[in-house]
Amino acid sequence: NAGVTQTPKFQVLKTGQSMTLQCAQDMNHNSMYWYRQDPGMGLRLIYYSASEGTTDKGEVPNGYNVSRLNKREFSLRLESAAPSQTSVYFCASSGLHTGGVEQYFGPGTRLTVT
Amino acid sequence: QKEVEQDPGPLSVPEGAIVSLNCTYSNSAFQYFMWYRQYSRKGPELLMYTYSSGNKEDGRFTAQVDKSSKYISLFIRDSQPSDSATYLCAMSDDGNKLVFGAGTILRVKS
Repeated sequence: NAGVTQTPKFQVLKTGQSMTLQCAQDMNHNSMYWYRQDPGMGLRLIYYSASEGTTDKGEVPNGYNVSRLNKREFSLRLESAAPSQTSVYFCASSGLHTGGVEQYFGPGTRLTVT
Repeated sequence: QKEVEQDPGPLSVPEGAIVSLNCTYSNSAFQYFMWYRQYSRKGPELLMYTYSSGNKEDGRFTAQVDKSSKYISLFIRDSQPSDSATYLCAMSDDGNKLVFGAGTILRVKS
């Protein structure tokens, strides 16, 4: 039981390049989330998906797109990376029993945009 | 002004001390209050969860919520070096989308 997995663990991009961050969970959870974590800012919600086939914007969605590929997988895409998107990105999931209160987080992707 | 304010620390205490971590918030619609713990270079994990006001105890940890003052606290008794981590408060009005504080770095010295 791997929980929430994220790939890649580290990535360096040049300004304007695109990339997709992958996330998968094996806990049969309905809801999945993407956050970014910056020093002094805590975790900020980028997008979330309450169930397969639905997505909704969070606090900081600009510059990102998401795809809920199936119940297990939720990807985050940066179409044209900017230095302001340098951050640590976390994916999380939660089950019906506890709603979004108990979220299980992946290990994170450290992204640097130069 | 941020919806959730949390002193970033770092807070440094000797082993065995009682630790008090706090958050204030401005949104009176918040009903769900959580504390997450994050070790260095790891994802956060849920430590405590409280619905509405009151206290909740789990081992060495006690969470308190005072909705009238818009103030929540986490107390750690008999702190251990293994408690050294960043503690994030989080809140929600609907139980789905969470708003996190910036996190407090705690260091427990042996």
